[in-house]
Amino acid sequence: NAGVTQTPKFRVLKTGQSMTLLCAQDMNHEYMYWYRQDPGMGLRLIHYSVGEGTTAKGEVPDGYNVSRLKKQNFLLGLESAAPSQTSVYFCASFTGLENTGELFFGEGSRLTVL
Amino acid sequence: AQSVTQLGSHVSVSEGALVLLRCNYSSSVPPYLFWYVQYPNQGLQLLLKYTTGATLVKGINGFEAEFKKSETSFHLTKPSAHMSDAAEYFCAVTNSGGYNKLIFGAGTRLAVHP
Repeated sequence: NAGVTQTPKFRVLKTGQSMTLLCAQDMNHEYMYWYRQDPGMGLRLIHYSVGEGTTAKGEVPDGYNVSRLKKQNFLLGLESAAPSQTSVYFCASFTGLENTGELFFGEGSRLTVL
Repeated sequence: AQSVTQLGSHVSVSEGALVLLRCNYSSSVPPYLFWYVQYPNQGLQLLLKYTTGATLVKGINGFEAEFKKSETSFHLTKPSAHMSDAAEYFCAVTNSGGYNKLIFGAGTRLAVHP
């Protein structure tokens, strides 16, 4: 049982380049999230999904897009990377409050934009 | 809108001393509250959660937290700190009407000294 897997774990981009972060979970969870973690700011929610084919904006969605074409995968895209998007990105899947109410995190993806 | 405030970005205690990490929340409906711990270069792990019922909840590694509605607080405590408790701790809130969207505080880094 792999849990939540993020790829890639490290990436360096130049300003203006695009990339996609992939999150995969094998727990059949409906809810998935993308957060970014920056020093002194905790985790801020970028986008989230409450089920296959659905996405919604979180606290800091600008500059990012997401897709949830398959239940197990949640993709985070940067169309034109900016230095302000240098961060550690965490994907998480959630059992839901109606179940155990536990959030499972991936190990993080460290992105540097030069 | 929900929000979480963690008082004190850094807390330092001696080994064997009481650990107290403070969390206050804002929610217009009954909240669900969580504490997560993050060790260096890792994702977040659930320590404990409050959903309904008993307001004093016990978690892993000897931690516990008490939900106080009148104070809108959910402070995390441990009677005796251990060196292995050094980590960053995050408080989070959601509610049943929030599409299971977890909002995190900025985090508190706990240092434990011999």
